[in-house]
This record gives sequence, C-alpha cells and structure tokens, in this order.
Amino acid sequence: QVQLVESGGGVVQPGRSLRLSCAASGFTFSGHGMHWVRQAPGKGLEWVAVIWYDGSKTNCADSMKGRCTVSRDDSKSTLYLQINSLRVEDTAVYYCARDPSHTIDYWGQGTLVTVSS
Amino acid sequence: QTVVTQEPSFSVSPGGTVTLTCGLSYGSVSTNYYPSWYQQTPGQAPRTLIYNTNTRSSGVPDRFSGSILGNKAALTITGAQAEDDSHYYCLLYLGSDIWVFGGGTKLTVL
Repeated sequence: QVQLVESGGGVVQPGRSLRLSCAASGFTFSGHGMHWVRQAPGKGLEWVAVIWYDGSKTNCADSMKGRCTVSRDDSKSTLYLQINSLRVEDTAVYYCARDPSHTIDYWGQGTLVTVSS
Repeated sequence: QTVVTQEPSFSVSPGGTVTLTCGLSYGSVSTNYYPSWYQQTPGQAPRTLIYNTNTRSSGVPDRFSGSILGNKAALTITGAQAEDDSHYYCLLYLGSDIWVFGGGTKLTVL
C-alpha cells in the first residue's frame, strides 16, 4: 500500500534553514508528481510546492517564493523540501502528498516545524 | 489573488443529505480545475474523499459523491453519519503549476 513518511521537522530559529524529507513506498515513485502542503496551528490547509514526476519542473506558492526548493531522489524514492530564511509564520505541520494527475490522492502523516527563538 | 471559497460551516441531521460547495472568487469551477475533496479530523492527516471531480478514493463510502453544480464543485453526503462530523477542504488546480485550497467547511452532524 502507498506509504509516505515525513521527517526532518523540529524547532528552528528564525532565519535558519531546514530540509524536510518524505520517504515513499508502495508505488512507482518516479511515475508521480509530488506535493508539499502545510497547516499552521488551528488553520486550514495551504498548498506549498510541487515537483513533476521527472523533476523537470517545480513550483512554490507565492508565500514561499524565493525561500523554497523542492527536489526528489528517485533512487531513494524520497522527496525533499528545503525552506530558507525561516519565519515564525512558517510554523506548521508539513505534509507530503502524491499527485495522480493534477491533484492529491495520498498523504503522509506530517512533520511539525516550529520556528521560534 | 485567486480565492477558493467554501462555506465556513454547515450542519446536517443524522441520515440527512448535505451538499458542500467550492467556488472561485472569479469565474466558474469546471472539471479543468480537477476539484478534489478532503476530510480532516483534529490531530489527523487529511483523508482523500474525492479527486478529479468525482473519483472516489479507495475505501471511501459511496455516500460521498463529487460533482459540478452550476459554477461550483460540490461534495454531497447522502445519509450523513455521526463520524462525518469533521472539517472538509476542497483543492483546485489553477494551472501553471499552482494549486489552492479552500478555507474549509466545518460540518456538524446533529
């Protein structure tokens, strides 16, 4: 069955960088685009970033533009999200998710990132 | 900036039918926006109910259905159960590798 397991969250100081990982299994990772979605405490879901199935295209939400890099390593079936210049408002649970075609079908359990001094 | 609109809250009686909608601050939602619906209870990851307008995700009861109604995407729950008391989010693809979630609807079953 499809499994997505995020890691790399924790407490980080403002201005620092962080790289999140998402280990995928149970499907052909190289055949799917992948997304990152986040949820601030008590708030709704916010789409963060996408990477195409072949890594040829990536995009980040405007709120993350210039600070966000999404990448993948198909040999490890792993998705990554690097966020630079972290801000207090980046505090959230970060989910990775699979794209079947222009949307999201499977989700990980999420990893909590807390930006605080 | 494009806003995806959802009713902030809705209530339904057990056994009743409710339709939640997902619209755009401009224009109409069509299948070209690949509307999808997610259910989330506090402390849990989202669960996919419907994707690509009306494809039910594996294991989702058939009381959940998706459609386009007028100029909006819609999620209909027919025969609501107590366990459907939850938050529901829609997701739209706006093109150019941009996706946006709606603000979510809190559905109360009572």
